[in-house]
Amino acid sequence: KQEVTQIPAALSVPEGENLVLNCSFTDSAIYNLQWFRQDPGKGLTSLLLIQSSQREQTSGRLNASLDKSSGRSTLYIAASQPGDSATYLCAVYNFNKFYFGSGTKLNVKP
Amino acid sequence: GAVVSQHPSWVICKSGTSVKIECRSLDFQATTMFWYRQFPKQSLMLMATSNEGSKATYEQGVEKDKFLINHASLTLSTLTVTSAHPEDSSFYICSAPGQTRETQYFGPGTRLLVL
Repeated sequence: KQEVTQIPAALSVPEGENLVLNCSFTDSAIYNLQWFRQDPGKGLTSLLLIQSSQREQTSGRLNASLDKSSGRSTLYIAASQPGDSATYLCAVYNFNKFYFGSGTKLNVKP
Repeated sequence: GAVVSQHPSWVICKSGTSVKIECRSLDFQATTMFWYRQFPKQSLMLMATSNEGSKATYEQGVEKDKFLINHASLTLSTLTVTSAHPEDSSFYICSAPGQTRETQYFGPGTRLLVL
């Protein structure tokens, strides 16, 4: 059974710092991996999707990498801002199902 | 973009009562919707797949008689927690697929507290 782990569970950084969130998964047979953002009282928003054949994806200040063979992905956030404060979820997709990590709660202090 | 709504956003109920949660796709049709449950500091776990016009498909370990799912139309799925108990207190989220199944639009979630 696929298991997805995210480290750290929580992270607090001052504004402007670059940071890395980590995600690992046990079964490398994945179709793709997505990073989501979850805000309180709101649904999940997809940030980046990496297909299994890709190594990384970039969107603005966000960069996600995927090493399928080692079962790892990272989300890099450059020049963090208070508006980045949220919970970030990693999810792998295979066999028509999403398997989510428990998330990293990020707090960016002004 | 596509929007999925849920109602209510939060609910408190007494143990033994039933609670219904609605999931609506506001500007698109969804023949399939998904229901997830999220306990504090834990992952979203898929509970069941709701299929319009047919029975829902439940994940292993999810009691279908306790979590009743009805997909009455192409824009509405409901999850009824029957005879709720405190251990059912959780955050319930629904989603609907976009043009590709891996594209999912998530509702804002419903927080259930059973006293």
